[in-house]
Amino acid sequence: NAGVMQNPRHLVRRRGQEARLRCSPMKGHSHVYWYRQLPEEGLKFMVYLQKENIIDESGMPKERFSAEFPKEGPSILRIQQVVRGDSAAYFCASSPLAGVYEQYFGPGTRLTVT
Amino acid sequence: DAKTTQPPSMDCAEGRAANLPCNHSTISGNEYVYWYRQIHSQGPQYIIHGLKNNETNEMASLIITEDRKSSTLILPHATLRDTAVYYCIVRGFNDYKLSFGAGTTVTVRA
Repeated sequence: NAGVMQNPRHLVRRRGQEARLRCSPMKGHSHVYWYRQLPEEGLKFMVYLQKENIIDESGMPKERFSAEFPKEGPSILRIQQVVRGDSAAYFCASSPLAGVYEQYFGPGTRLTVT
Repeated sequence: DAKTTQPPSMDCAEGRAANLPCNHSTISGNEYVYWYRQIHSQGPQYIIHGLKNNETNEMASLIITEDRKSSTLILPHATLRDTAVYYCIVRGFNDYKLSFGAGTTVTVRA
């Protein structure tokens, strides 16, 4: 039973380019969460999605960041016109239902903006 | 607004039990205590959770005090692979956001 998968594992982008991070939840999980971990900081919630719906994006920066979880395919976190401050590890987690169910995390995507 | 307090670091000898404390004095009746860990450069890993009873699984035991204001995560036989940052998180029943604090950096030494 495959766990949460994220790709790419490492992504290097120049300032101004776009970054697309993909997350495939565990089989049977329809709830996806994205977290960001800035260097030497703790993980911070960004967004919570169900299939085709954004439930809570209160942790997302207001500009340049967007997320989707289409009916088919992985969840995508998109960062437009990246800046050096976007360099971080981005983790995706999934759960079978909402509420107090454990979230299972993927290995993360490490974004480096040069 | 931190809901939990953990020591910043602790050492443990390989093969011995590691007891990780967590204070959550403002926990409310419908909030759970969750533990996750993050091994260097990896995604957080779920360990265990509980409401008021003590819990045990293949990874660890969770002891929650009767007043629920503190808890202890016990790794019964620590190995070098248990070296990680351990996070104690208080979470309401419908609270899907995990709030990670600074955690406790546990170093298991041979």
